[in-house]
Amino acid sequence: AQKVTQAQTEISVVEKEDVTLDCVYETRDTTYYLFWYKQPPSGELVFLIRRNSFDEQNEISGRYSWNFQKSTSSFNFTITASQVVDSAVYFCALKDSSYKLIFGSGTRLLVRP
Amino acid sequence: ETGVTQSPTHLIKTRGQQVTLRCSSQSGHNTVSWYQQALGQGPQFIFQYYREEENGRGNFPPRFSGLQFPNYSSELNVNALELDDSALYLCASSPGQRGNTGELFFGEGSRLTVL
Repeated sequence: AQKVTQAQTEISVVEKEDVTLDCVYETRDTTYYLFWYKQPPSGELVFLIRRNSFDEQNEISGRYSWNFQKSTSSFNFTITASQVVDSAVYFCALKDSSYKLIFGSGTRLLVRP
Repeated sequence: ETGVTQSPTHLIKTRGQQVTLRCSSQSGHNTVSWYQQALGQGPQFIFQYYREEENGRGNFPPRFSGLQFPNYSSELNVNALELDDSALYLCASSPGQRGNTGELFFGEGSRLTVL
């Protein structure tokens, strides 16, 4: 069965701290995609990154970086030098051979000034 | 490029009523998906439409139905509303055939409250 687990329900950090959001997934498929989305209070899900199962290279985009490890079925997201504007709910999601995205339950990040 | 737009943004209904939510997909996108997001939870897949046909459905009862129009806009209809239907309903569009690209572009959602 496909499943995405985000064990951290809420994280609170002080601005400029680094923070890592954990994501563990389950799927029987060998071809799949992993995603991170950000959901600000407005409700819209903002796409951050997509990774396919054959590309385990870590990726860095500005203050954001992602660590994909197939051996542990994890796809973790790190924000370096966090800012107040990073406060949001972050979702990890999985898409395998089905039509749908399977989302985790989300991690609420609060960055305090 | 116009993004995904949804209407209405907020609405209140009473149990047993029916509701229609609308979504305009992003320009050039022919696939629309609907998700239900209950408070404090991740979005759950309801169904997907590709070129006016439903081509995938999640674990939702038949009283959840939809349409996609020739211009690729879409409607979600929910009959016989129940209290548990209170949620944020998200529409997402994508350019790929049958959604295989995976990347979805979401609207801001329609927040439904059922009293």
